[in-house]
Amino acid sequence: EDQVTQSPEALRLQEGESSSLNCSYTVSGLRGLFWYRQDPGKGPEFLFTLYSAGEEKEKERLKATLTKKESFLHITAPKPEDSATYLCAVPSRSGGYQKVTFGTGTKLQVIP
Amino acid sequence: DADVTQTPRNRITKTGKRIMLECSQTKGHDRMYWYRQDPGLGLRLIYYSFDVKDINKGEISDGYSVSRQAQAKFSLSLESAIPNQTALYFCATSDSLGGYGYTFGSGTRLTVV
Repeated sequence: EDQVTQSPEALRLQEGESSSLNCSYTVSGLRGLFWYRQDPGKGPEFLFTLYSAGEEKEKERLKATLTKKESFLHITAPKPEDSATYLCAVPSRSGGYQKVTFGTGTKLQVIP
Repeated sequence: DADVTQTPRNRITKTGKRIMLECSQTKGHDRMYWYRQDPGLGLRLIYYSFDVKDINKGEISDGYSVSRQAQAKFSLSLESAIPNQTALYFCATSDSLGGYGYTFGSGTRLTVV
């Protein structure tokens, strides 16, 4: 069974304090890995797709990296507006259809 | 206007009632999805549709049904609502390649009392 595990569940940072969020996965036939940002009361917003080990993507203060077993979302010098829940998801092909398994997310709070 | 619009945003209904959640998208995508989100469980797939004539069950389809009225419209029905269907429901759409992930609506918060 495909599994996606995110850690930590919650993270509290001071403004400017860099850190990383982890997403570990076990899926059959990895077709890539997605990162999303979700603000309270809203739907997840797509951030990145990573396809192969060693790939990196950047957007403002966020950088996502991928290995064969896990992905990291690095947050450099975060600001309060980076506070949100960050979700990772992996699409795989099992049971004859494409299925996306989501992690439960890391809730990030950045304190001014 | 939002790319994916869900109505209603909030709904309280009684056990046993039938309820429909509606979703429309302006992305022009063929693929549409319904997910529910529960604390600690993440997003789980209820139904998905790859085009108007193709509808498939997801991992938690029991107690739900869907209708794809057009490329842009995908509705979710709870035939007889029960309290454990209280959750946040999201509609999403994607292109056929999937490389840009999903575009989600803002969700419907459903409470069954």
